[in-house]
Amino acid sequence: DSGVTQTPKHLITATGQRVTLRCSPRSGDLSVYWYQQSLDQGLQFLIQYYNGEERAKGNILERFSAQQFPDLHSELNLSSLELGDSALYFCASRGGYTGELFFGEGSRLTVL
Amino acid sequence: AQTVTQSQPEMSVQEAETVTLSCTYDTSESDYYLFWYKQPPSRQMILVIRQEAYKQQNATENRFSVNFQKAAKSFSLKISDSQLGDAAMYFCAYRSNINNAGNMLTFGGGTRLMVKP
Repeated sequence: DSGVTQTPKHLITATGQRVTLRCSPRSGDLSVYWYQQSLDQGLQFLIQYYNGEERAKGNILERFSAQQFPDLHSELNLSSLELGDSALYFCASRGGYTGELFFGEGSRLTVL
Repeated sequence: AQTVTQSQPEMSVQEAETVTLSCTYDTSESDYYLFWYKQPPSRQMILVIRQEAYKQQNATENRFSVNFQKAAKSFSLKISDSQLGDAAMYFCAYRSNINNAGNMLTFGGGTRLMVKP
């Protein structure tokens, strides 16, 4: 158990819909990272938050947005969903001075 | 921007044998970290081993060790005495240690390791 909690684990929705993925980082970790993993692909960095503020942005679509709340949990909002958005979405928090990421179990999104 | 390349999409190894997974990276920085993560069929991302660029000594974690060649920008993972439970996708990752925005991990495309009984 990494200590990072993601909900929901599985989500099936239709094109054009909007979903929200939730992440709680490990206790004490201030940074949250979101990654997208499409089928049999590597992990693509989407966005990072640190203590409530956006710190870095990667290949995140304009239809996607995220935020980190005062209690440090984060939400990734995906709107106007397309078939190609089907993927595994990981949240991770950073710990230790070496900064390795601890990953949640992921949220598997299927867009039909 | 940094890039990480894993040139072996798939590898296979006989149980109890040794296998080496390759990783190369491109960076102009001198201070960084490298990681190997394992992703079994459960899809959980599990840290296998880390290497700090300023340390010349190769990292070792039980049956897992790395061959870090900084000048060549190469970071291979050696798995000794392979076990069936080692079957997974393995991802190499880079993280800058420069104190700027982000410090996210940049991942390679992965290598699928199959272990034959």
